[in-house]
Amino acid sequence: DAKTTQPPSMDCAEGRAANLPCNHSTISGNEYVYWYRQIHSQGPQYIIHGLKNNETNEMASLIITEDRKSSTLILPHATLRDTAVYYCIVRFYSGAGSYQLTFGKGTKLSVIP
Amino acid sequence: GAGVSQSPSNKVTEKGKDVELRCDPISGHTALYWYRQSLGQGLEFLIYFQGNSAPDKSGLPSDRFSAERTGGSVSTLTIQRTQQEDSAVYLCASWDRTSWYQETQYFGPGTRLLVL
Repeated sequence: DAKTTQPPSMDCAEGRAANLPCNHSTISGNEYVYWYRQIHSQGPQYIIHGLKNNETNEMASLIITEDRKSSTLILPHATLRDTAVYYCIVRFYSGAGSYQLTFGKGTKLSVIP
Repeated sequence: GAGVSQSPSNKVTEKGKDVELRCDPISGHTALYWYRQSLGQGLEFLIYFQGNSAPDKSGLPSDRFSAERTGGSVSTLTIQRTQQEDSAVYLCASWDRTSWYQETQYFGPGTRLLVL
């Protein structure tokens, strides 16, 4: 299984871009990188995912390095409501048709007024 | 419904009692996951259902844990003879496998289980 490494916490000033890094040096060629976030006392919320190309949606951008060993989630204009734990996940295929998501401890992002 | 719902939202039980946790997935979603999250920890995979296929039970921590999914929709996670270490938030997620590249798992709000 490809494991991910994230810093335990980060601060970001409100209105600035938040750049959350993730290392996944053992990722295999058919594994996708997913990002979820979990606001306190809520279930995880999907943000974005990608394979090797950079991706952008209404919530964030995902930048994946050419060797795919690391990625960065970018929240372009962080707001106080973006304060959450952000999980970088490599989708693991268990072999039984189960694309389970293996969650680590994530990065606790605190957006500061 | 608009999203995944779970019930109860909170459950307090005594050690040794059995509990049942319910998950109503998004209508039409063929796949359903159960995870649990202990305090301050990441999510731990428990079990996966996909259509009529045999479930992937590889994450269940002991034989006290079981789950079923009736009619391909609602799922129930049962914990027998609860122990204090079972205290956690139990999360359910569903997704539609018809478009595997676009798949995302949608999570419910969770059931907070406290075993005294």
